[in-house]
Amino acid sequence: SAVISQKPSRDICQRGTSLTIQCQVDSQVTMMFWYRQQPGQSLTLIATANQGSEATYESGFVIDKFPISRPNLTFSTLTVSNMSPEDSSIYLCSFRLAGAPEQYFGPGTRLTVT
Amino acid sequence: AQTVTQSQPEMSVQEAETVTLSCTYDTSESDYYLFWYKQPPSRQMILVIRQEAYKQQNATENRFSVNFQKAAKSFSLKISDSQLGDAAMYFCAYRSRSNFNKFYFGSGTKLNVKP
Repeated sequence: SAVISQKPSRDICQRGTSLTIQCQVDSQVTMMFWYRQQPGQSLTLIATANQGSEATYESGFVIDKFPISRPNLTFSTLTVSNMSPEDSSIYLCSFRLAGAPEQYFGPGTRLTVT
Repeated sequence: AQTVTQSQPEMSVQEAETVTLSCTYDTSESDYYLFWYKQPPSRQMILVIRQEAYKQQNATENRFSVNFQKAAKSFSLKISDSQLGDAAMYFCAYRSRSNFNKFYFGSGTKLNVKP
């Protein structure tokens, strides 16, 4: 398996600002994913990021609010734009290795918006 | 759409005892994968065990085993000889064999381990 890291691990942000979360994998992976996990709840998929193409967003999530970049096979960023307190969550990135059914998750970014 | 249900929001087990976490799912597909993930307080999700629907044999990983009942759409996780380090949130997840990018997660079960 590969090692996956996220930065920052946590942040406290002001309402109306934006935060970019970075996700780095130590192997080349085709698909990366971004999830939101609100306090005490399960994971909700925000979008799927394939290198070289636009991210595919799930219902309820839009590119203007959560722009995603995937410049190469080992890196992705998620930006949470124009934040409000409702955006306070843990944001997780994950990846799937070709041929493997499971996803592997990063350590998460705990975002608090005040 | 597929749904995954974990009906036990929280459970407790004594150290060294055995505990079973329940999961049911709803699907019209015949070929799929099921997973149990563990999320300790440190937050990183870890894959515990995986089951392929076409395999009748229940998956086992050391102290972790599953009881997969395909007809009943049930997928429970048994943890034997529970250890303090097993304390975590446990999520059951489903993935279609054909749609390999879409995972469906249950709401989670918080497992407490008492010394």
